[in-house]
Amino acid sequence: DVKVTQSSRYLVKRTGEKVFLECVQDMDHENMFWYRQDPGLGLRLIYFSYDVKMKEKGDIPEGYSVSREKKERFSLILESASTNQTSMYLCASSFVETQYFGPGTRLLVL
Amino acid sequence: GENVEQHPSTLSVQEGDSAVIKCTYSDSASNYFPWYKQELGKRPQLIIDIRSNVGEKKDQRIAVTLNKTAKHFSLHITETQPEDSAVYFCAASRAGGGNKLTFGTGTQLKVEL
Repeated sequence: DVKVTQSSRYLVKRTGEKVFLECVQDMDHENMFWYRQDPGLGLRLIYFSYDVKMKEKGDIPEGYSVSREKKERFSLILESASTNQTSMYLCASSFVETQYFGPGTRLLVL
Repeated sequence: GENVEQHPSTLSVQEGDSAVIKCTYSDSASNYFPWYKQELGKRPQLIIDIRSNVGEKKDQRIAVTLNKTAKHFSLHITETQPEDSAVYFCAASRAGGGNKLTFGTGTQLKVEL
């Protein structure tokens, strides 16, 4: 079974803090993705990566950056957290089309 | 880029009835259309998918249809059960797009006893 894990289920941060969200997959997948999920807006792609050290902007990259130093790990970075980044963050990985999701991190920025 | 619209946003049916969720897409080059189910507090999981060379696919009580000309695809659930209650997301992607999916906004399905 594919296993995608995320470093935290719940996180509370203050405005202006630097926030790191980590995602690890154990299936040697090439592709990894970061989404945010908000009610009524579905899943919106922030960034994705199709190889180590490669990254591509998704639909809403502003205020975020990513890092992929190892194939199994994909990190999402909020350089200076703001209250409008309060959301559920979902990581996913895939070999071809089917994406496997992590359990999500619910981030609250105060 | 691709735009996927999904309707309805909420759907309530009686147990045993059928449920239909519809999606439209904008990019005629899209060729892969998965459906994900997300139960409350859980991660989205793939339940069925269809590729553009197929018009219909069925897996037990769920089926997906695709109309490439009209650029829309639908999820059909028959004989609904309480455990079908969840949020359903449609998505679309194109070959060579880095396997990037564009998701619809989701449908909250409630199956009432």
